[in-house]
Amino acid sequence: KNQVEQSPQSLIILEGKNCTLQCNYTVSPFSNLRWYKQDTGRGPVSLTIMTFSENTKSNGRYTATLDADTKQSSLHITASQLSDSASYICVVSVRNYGGSQGNLIFGKGTKLSVKP
Amino acid sequence: DSGVTQTPKHLITATGQRVTLRCSPRSGDLSVYWYQQSLDQGLQFLIQYYNGEERAKGNILERFSAQQFPDLHSELNLSSLELGDSALYFCASSGVGGGLLNTGELFFGEGSRLTVL
Repeated sequence: KNQVEQSPQSLIILEGKNCTLQCNYTVSPFSNLRWYKQDTGRGPVSLTIMTFSENTKSNGRYTATLDADTKQSSLHITASQLSDSASYICVVSVRNYGGSQGNLIFGKGTKLSVKP
Repeated sequence: DSGVTQTPKHLITATGQRVTLRCSPRSGDLSVYWYQQSLDQGLQFLIQYYNGEERAKGNILERFSAQQFPDLHSELNLSSLELGDSALYFCASSGVGGGLLNTGELFFGEGSRLTVL
C-alpha cells in the first residue's frame, strides 16, 4: 500500500530558529514529491517539487532534500518567522504510465508553530 | 490567488439536508480534485475528474456525489448530512499535459467550510 508518513506531528519553535520536518514514503512507482504549506483555514500552496534525480532544492528559506534510495525527504526551514506557522504537507505522486496526473498520496502534515 | 474559485465560502445547514459545493478550476486545467479536511485532520481525497470523466475515487461516502461539467467546473453534492460531515471541503485543479511534462502541482481553492448543526 502506498503511504506517506510525516514527523513530527507537531512542532513548536522560537522565532529565528531552524527546524527540519521529515517525510518517509513507500510509494511505487515514484514520480515526484512535493511539499505544500497550508496556513490555517486556507488552501495548501506548493513550496517545492523534488524529482527522482534531485537531491536538494531551495526556495528562499526553505530547503528540501530527497533520498530516493531510502525514500526519505526533509524540509528545512532556516531563520523561522512567525509567518512560517502553518501545516506542512508532503505529497508523493505515483507515476502513471497512462500519461495523466497519477495518484497523489498525502501525508497527514506537520503542524509548525513559531513563537515570538 | 491560485485561480481556483470555490463557492460558497461558508455554509451552515441542518442534519439530513443536502448541499452543493461548486468549484471553478484554473483556466485551462482539465483535472479537478475534491478533498475533505476535518478539524485538525489531514486532507482526505474524495474524487478526481479529468475533462468531465471520473478519474479516481477515494474515500467518498455514498451520500456524496460529484460531477464535472463541459465548461470544466465541478460540483460536489452532499446529501443526508450528518454532524460528522462538518469540515472544510477543498477543490484543487491541475494542468493538463501527460507524462514527464506534467509536474503534478495542485492549485487549491480557499475551501468551503460546511457546518452541520
